[in-house]
Amino acid sequence: KAGVTQTPRYLIKTRGQQVTLSCSPISGHRSVSWYQQTPGQGLQFLFEYFSETQRNKGNFPGRFSGRQFSNSRSEMNVSTLELGDSALYLCASSLEGGPTQYFGPGTRLTVL
Amino acid sequence: AQSVTQLDSQVPVFEEAPVELRCNYSSSVSVYLFWYVQYPNQGLQLLLKYLSGSTLVKSINGFEAEFNKSQTSFHLRKPSVHISDTAEYFCAVRTVKAAGNKLTFGGGTRVLVKP
Repeated sequence: KAGVTQTPRYLIKTRGQQVTLSCSPISGHRSVSWYQQTPGQGLQFLFEYFSETQRNKGNFPGRFSGRQFSNSRSEMNVSTLELGDSALYLCASSLEGGPTQYFGPGTRLTVL
Repeated sequence: AQSVTQLDSQVPVFEEAPVELRCNYSSSVSVYLFWYVQYPNQGLQLLLKYLSGSTLVKSINGFEAEFNKSQTSFHLRKPSVHISDTAEYFCAVRTVKAAGNKLTFGGGTRVLVKP
């Protein structure tokens, strides 16, 4: 089975722009979660989608949003980028009801 | 709310020596416990997990961790490390009865294996 895939792997944007990141879960997995990893804050939960509905949300401003499609693929969007949004964004998928999450390789976002 | 503390931010260790990475968590309810490993410029790889049953869990590459409910710990050990074990290790928890998946991570422990 193919693992979790994320595109693009690297992105460079400037302040004020917006960005969309994509995540394809492992086949059969319907839950997709997003995490932000920074040197200062570590790994922080952004949100989780299940069956096209947001099921959980972390403490991030409304500039961070996401969605999930009927094929379980997910996208996250960050609007009005700030320098502090520079991070590794990780996507993880899991089976319905299963607690074990499997992570993708991440998207490295750099905001200049 | 849960929290996870990894007491050592960095652990230098010589090749073939044993290593222990400490993880303590705080939660008022039952939790699932995980260890993930991150190699440079990569995502997180699941190393091992405790969901229920035997409190000692093992990975295929020689790591093991023991769930200690009374001490709220889930320490990771390996009796003999290799250069290839150089990586950052993260301990994480999720409540058993949570509606949905949300992992809470510790700050990570960077392991540097020296020849």
